[in-house]
Amino acid sequence: SSELTQDPAVSVALGQTVKITCQGDSLRHYSASWFQQKPGQAPLLVIYGRNNRPSGIPDRFSGSTSGNTGSLTITGAQAEDEADYYCNSRDTSGNPLFGGGTKLTVL
Amino acid sequence: QITLKESGPTLVKPTQTLTLTCTFSGFSLSTSGVGVGWIRQPPGKALEWLALIYWDDDKRYSPSLKSRLTITKDTSKNQVVLTVTNMDPVDTATYYCAHDYWSGYGYYFASWGQGTLVSVSS
Repeated sequence: SSELTQDPAVSVALGQTVKITCQGDSLRHYSASWFQQKPGQAPLLVIYGRNNRPSGIPDRFSGSTSGNTGSLTITGAQAEDEADYYCNSRDTSGNPLFGGGTKLTVL
Repeated sequence: QITLKESGPTLVKPTQTLTLTCTFSGFSLSTSGVGVGWIRQPPGKALEWLALIYWDDDKRYSPSLKSRLTITKDTSKNQVVLTVTNMDPVDTATYYCAHDYWSGYGYYFASWGQGTLVSVSS
């Protein structure tokens, strides 16, 4: 399969931990990157190469992969983390794939 | 500092061809391992990858849109151009260009432009 599947919506209480998942066969061979997108803004890279954070991204964001599932974990979610999150990988040809996105609500 | 900016028409008519330009700074498309991609996002919907071009002129296209897309680069101008033929109202979207970077962990879209909203309507 050349698709990445995400849950449409997830919620988390302020200060709690939330895991956002992404499933797809491509993740067995290619690590996921994760993007945060707030309304009216361009996507922002928060995790790449399975569990690397670009400069400026808080360390409460982390990534992991197990089998065909990639995960983005936010430990101690903050109000400003409320956003849409997209996973991204590559298929066997090296072409990019995006998940359908997960809307995170911080309660 | 890496920056990218998309430019082009905000409104096109059905059946017309859309031409978008991505002008970037802070990196060179003649450097090994570097690419520029185009991604779009219809209002309220998910991101969709369209096309990619690499430093060695390797070009990749979304299989579902391949027949309508052309991507080219002008290394001397730090620009990448995307053309989309036969535009339809369903192609209404914000179009982004992004810097595709090889880190040793794989390729990823490290930096994005602000996006440009293109509407298709008669």
